[in-house]
Amino acid sequence: GAGVSQSPSNKVTEKGKDVELRCDPISGHTALYWYRQRLGQGLEFLIYFQGNSAPDKSGLPSDRFSAERTGESVSTLTIQRTQQEDSAVYLCASSLARGNYGYTFGSGTRLTVV
Amino acid sequence: AQRVTQPEKLLSVFKGAPVELKCNYSYSGSPELFWYVQYSRQRLQLLLRHISRESIKGFTADLNKGETSFHLKKPFAQEEDSAMYYCALSAISGNTPLVFGKGTRLSVIA
Repeated sequence: GAGVSQSPSNKVTEKGKDVELRCDPISGHTALYWYRQRLGQGLEFLIYFQGNSAPDKSGLPSDRFSAERTGESVSTLTIQRTQQEDSAVYLCASSLARGNYGYTFGSGTRLTVV
Repeated sequence: AQRVTQPEKLLSVFKGAPVELKCNYSYSGSPELFWYVQYSRQRLQLLLRHISRESIKGFTADLNKGETSFHLKKPFAQEEDSAMYYCALSAISGNTPLVFGKGTRLSVIA
């Protein structure tokens, strides 16, 4: 597609349930990033995939969070046993191999845990 | 550790007035600095990169390594400039994820 696509755009879930968020990057972009943005806060780095290298998971806040990427295509971010503090907008971005040319962001998934 | 500080949460200026959005960074290596912008109901998008030394929509930003700053400037603000602005930093290799500041909301008053 022409841009980074994220689904769903909105997700309301009950505390304790698992959720899966999807990101479809721009074709040819080998790097893919997940960020979280809580209300009134900046972007918090979660995880970074670059080609076939091991992902940089240093930003994942707990072991309830995990992400996968199939080759250089779709990525899914999974949050298990959701908590209210997980409520945020989850943003995905992709870039060429080296991110110096800038990232292209998706429109985000707004997650609300009730 | 990499850190980006945007000291102002909100900046209000009158149309036609000069704008300066402040950004300071902390990084021991060679940094690459960016400004991203998010207009109302739109996606976060790249505004400019320091390495390309470009002017986008009248905005410029100069990297000052001595002051570790990358302030965003525009001589005459327009109403359509109202948006959230984020300063971001990465290693010059581009192989590390961007670190973002908390953002500054610019409001241009007619």
